[in-house]
Amino acid sequence: NAGVMQNPRHLVRRRGQEARLRCSPMKGHSHVYWYRQLPEEGLKFMVYLQKENIIDESGMPKERFSAEFPKEGPSILRIQQVVRGDSAAYFCASSPNRGEKLFFGSGTQLSVL
Amino acid sequence: GENVEQHPSTLSVQEGDSAVIKCTYSDSASNYFPWYKQELGKRPQLIIDIRSNVGEKKDQRIAVTLNKTAKHFSLHITETQPEDSAVYFCAASNEIQGAQKLVFGQGTRLTINP
Repeated sequence: NAGVMQNPRHLVRRRGQEARLRCSPMKGHSHVYWYRQLPEEGLKFMVYLQKENIIDESGMPKERFSAEFPKEGPSILRIQQVVRGDSAAYFCASSPNRGEKLFFGSGTQLSVL
Repeated sequence: GENVEQHPSTLSVQEGDSAVIKCTYSDSASNYFPWYKQELGKRPQLIIDIRSNVGEKKDQRIAVTLNKTAKHFSLHITETQPEDSAVYFCAASNEIQGAQKLVFGQGTRLTINP
């Protein structure tokens, strides 16, 4: 089992560009979560998805951010028109069922110039 | 909503000594409390967790205690080793509303001095 896979590991974007972060959950896991971590801070919940459904997006900014977890393929966190404040580490986690333990990926470090 | 406070923010101990990190939470409905270890530039890794029907849990050199009345829980690491140096995060969630909507503390940077 390869674990939760995230790519890219590092992503550099200029202000106004789009950032697309990908997450492939562990084999057999159908629940995906996205968290954001600013330097020297804890992780902040963004969104919880199951296949083809957004279950809880209470931590997502109202504008520019969106997430999906299609029937086939990885989960995608999309940030449109990035600003410098979007610079952070974005971690994806997965679990096999609701209520099970979370396993985190290695994260994507987004840097906005 | 839930709020988790973690102390201390930094902790330095001599190798072989014990380290204790404490967290408090605000939502009395929270019933799941994991601890994660994060080394520099790496993913958070679950090291131990406890549910609210248990007061203490131990796994080798690591133990977690939970006081539901006072709404606080603690991580204890005994016989510390240099490889224990990392940032440790506590978290809390309410499994009824969504077990994985973890609310994290601010983290404790633990340094083990040889």
